Formats: sequence, structure tokens, C-alpha cells
Amino acid sequence: NAGVTQTPKFQVLKTGQSMTLQCAQDMNHEYMSWYRQDPGMGLRLIHYSVGAGITDQGEVPNGYNVSRSTTEDFPLRLLSAAPSQTSVYFCASSQPRGGTYEQYFGPGTRLTVT
Amino acid sequence: AQKITQTQPGMFVQEKEAVTLDCTYDTSDPSYGLFWYKQPSSGEMIFLIYQGSYDQQNATEGRYSLNFQKARKSANLVISASQLGDSAMYFCAMSPRPFDSSASKIIFGSGTRLSIRP
Repeated sequence: NAGVTQTPKFQVLKTGQSMTLQCAQDMNHEYMSWYRQDPGMGLRLIHYSVGAGITDQGEVPNGYNVSRSTTEDFPLRLLSAAPSQTSVYFCASSQPRGGTYEQYFGPGTRLTVT
Repeated sequence: AQKITQTQPGMFVQEKEAVTLDCTYDTSDPSYGLFWYKQPSSGEMIFLIYQGSYDQQNATEGRYSLNFQKARKSANLVISASQLGDSAMYFCAMSPRPFDSSASKIIFGSGTRLSIRP
């Protein structure tokens, strides 16, 4: 049981490049989310999904796309990287269980855009 | 719109003392969920505890308890018998309408850095 895996752990992009951050979970969780964390701040929700084929925008969706073709995978695509997207990106999966949640985060991807 | 406020940027506490981390929230949703997370210096995010707005009793998980006061819109985290390993950033968060399709739309506060002194 690997939990939530994210790749890559580190990435440097030039302005205008595109890339996909991968996220996978093996716990059969319905809910998955992408967050970004800027220095000294809390997490801000980019996009989230409540099941395969269903996604929605969070607080800061501009410049990012997501898809959820399977329960396990929830990739985040940066369409045209900008320095403002320099951040640490976390993927999370969760499932309501017994009046609370089972929730796990991936280890994060540190992205630098130059 | 939902909003989470954590007014303590940093706290120092002596080891073995109890700690209360403050969190207030604002929402127009009739029901909602409240969460606390821990982020050690290693950077990982760890889910600690959850409280539903409809829950009659305060949530507890081991040494963590959530002091939920609905009328005051507060959801403070209490850590009993603090340990050196509790030193970390702590984030309060909330989601609308728990356990339906919007429940994964979790909004975070700015966090409190807790430092435990030996």
C-alpha cells in the first residue's frame, strides 16, 4: 500500500514550458485534490475531483488543467509555466469513513519556474 | 464564501504542557467540516482530526482534541502533554457540506508554528 505518490519531487521549468505533475493513490479513495503552498502560507486549492470523470475548480485554477480518467490517477497540467507558479504542489486523496475522513497527502513537488 | 483565520503566527510551549491552537471560521453553509493538519519541517502534510458541524461531541484522536464552539465559530486544536515531536506548523481548514460532492473543496488557514521547548 503506497498511499499517495507524486512525481517528480523537484522540477525546474523555463517560462512558457508545459508539464504534467503526476499523482496516484492506491486506496480507492473517491476524492482527490491538488494544492499549492507558497512560502509561509497555507495550502490553496487548485482543482479537485469527487470521482472518475468529475472535476471542479478550486480557489486558484488559472493556468492549470486536470483530468480524472481513473479513480487512481489525478494529473495536474501546467499549460504555460509562469514564475508565479513557483511553489510546492501537494496532491491529496480522501474518503469519508465512519463519521470522519481517511485522508493522505503526497510528499509534494517543488516546482521552480525561471 | 468560507474563511479560516488563525491569529497565532507562532507559539512556544514547554514540553509536557497542554497546547491550544486557535482557529475561527466563517461560512454561510448550514453544515460543514473542520480539519486540522500538521506540517513538520520535513514538509509533509499530515491529517490529524476532523469535526463535522453537526457532531454533538468534540472530536478526539489520541492526544489531539478539537474544541468546537459552534456559536463562536471556533474550532481550536488542543494537544495534551506536548512532546518535542509536536514542533511543526499546524493548519486549520474547512469544507462545505461534509460527505457530499463538495467535501473535497477544503480551504486552509495560514497556519500556526508551534515550537516545543525541552
